[in-house]
Amino acid sequence: GQQLNQSPQSMFIQEGEDVSMNCTSSSIFNTWLWYKQDPGEGPVLLIALYKAGELTSNGRLTAQFGITRKDSFLNISASIPSDVGIYFCAGILAGKSTFGDGTTLTVKP
Amino acid sequence: DTEVTQTPKHLVMGMTNKKSLKCEQHMGHRAMYWYKQKAKKPPELMFVYSYEKLSINESVPSRFSPECPNSSLLNLHLHALQPEDSALYLCASRPQGQPGNTIYFGEGSWLTVV
Repeated sequence: GQQLNQSPQSMFIQEGEDVSMNCTSSSIFNTWLWYKQDPGEGPVLLIALYKAGELTSNGRLTAQFGITRKDSFLNISASIPSDVGIYFCAGILAGKSTFGDGTTLTVKP
Repeated sequence: DTEVTQTPKHLVMGMTNKKSLKCEQHMGHRAMYWYKQKAKKPPELMFVYSYEKLSINESVPSRFSPECPNSSLLNLHLHALQPEDSALYLCASRPQGQPGNTIYFGEGSWLTVV
């Protein structure tokens, strides 16, 4: 089956620093999605990417759909304490989703 | 409005009980999903319904029984569960067609099997 490698597994950063995480796969996807999940809550969609090469921003968040359709990255600029949580990437192909294992972000004030 | 509503938020059930989880969306999405999520792990796909028909069953044990009564509702019937089935159960929906390949999650139902 399809697998996503998401890295890093965890990050500990100071408030104000920029963050970068990525997902890679041996398979192609038609859509890349990035989610943030807080403890006890469902994943909340941050950014959706639909075309290879697409670069999309949502406030301090920027994500790109890799040209090969096998990878995507998410950047967070000027991190703040409420950015703490687990970030998941997901690739979609033929209506089926594959999730990365998540990046746990800790932001120190 | 991108809301997927799940009830109950929390459920505790014994191994001999029968209970159901419910999910509702009014976005006109014709694909609906059930996922199971353990702590600090990614969601694991269980079932996919497309146009009210079961299209994907990821080899889920029969003690989990999905039902899609109409295009807005999705249920997950639970019977004779095991303690290891305790998890966060997430419902999600997706519009059909490009560029609609975006999956929206509900807040989840926390299930504890005792």
